[in-house]
Amino acid sequence: SQQGEEDPQALSIQEGENATMNCSYKTSINNLQWYRQNSGRGLVHLILIRSNEREKHSGRLRVTLDTSKKSSSLLITASRAADTASYFCATDAGGYNKLIFGAGTRLAVHP
Amino acid sequence: GAVVSQHPSWVICKSGTSVKIECRSLDFQATTMFWYRQFPKQSLMLMATSNEGSKATYEQGVEKDKFLINHASLTLSTLTVTSAHPEDSSFYICSALTGAGTDTQYFGPGTRLTVL
Repeated sequence: SQQGEEDPQALSIQEGENATMNCSYKTSINNLQWYRQNSGRGLVHLILIRSNEREKHSGRLRVTLDTSKKSSSLLITASRAADTASYFCATDAGGYNKLIFGAGTRLAVHP
Repeated sequence: GAVVSQHPSWVICKSGTSVKIECRSLDFQATTMFWYRQFPKQSLMLMATSNEGSKATYEQGVEKDKFLINHASLTLSTLTVTSAHPEDSSFYICSALTGAGTDTQYFGPGTRLTVL
């Protein structure tokens, strides 16, 4: 069963604005990953953060992890129309490298 | 590097027929591949873990006789939906691990199955 919850379910912003998506999970993890999915396509790996890390950056992406609250956030700065996609968090709580995905956030960035 | 392909990208079939979906790792060997299904506007649900040379491990609630998985080589895993029904219509996505000790899964582009 899915263990991750994400909010908001949908987010609509203007180009140039920042977008923040949150993810919560229920059990202990070794790592948490964020993926992007364009409509009708496969997933693109964005970033992996380990349980002993609190923050990680990759270009315009910033991910935080709070294991005490069992939550993570993905911040996209200076958003672009091309960032329009669904964003999913996934944890390794399934064991044996199995990923448990959150419900996802649908981001729409308007020019 | 770490490219995963799927074939076909979409398929339409009649109810009762079987459909095979291929998942290939193009530039690496994948001892472990995973199969997911995704309904419209929903998240990915893990169906099964496919290990090269051994039987697949299915998640609770997934019928192994309906969703046959074969991982005959280090670069190819197949998912066969047997006796497909309209409720099997979904987006099927595979992923692969690049090697032991790695955490990142690389995903294929997905296969859209429509059963009439």
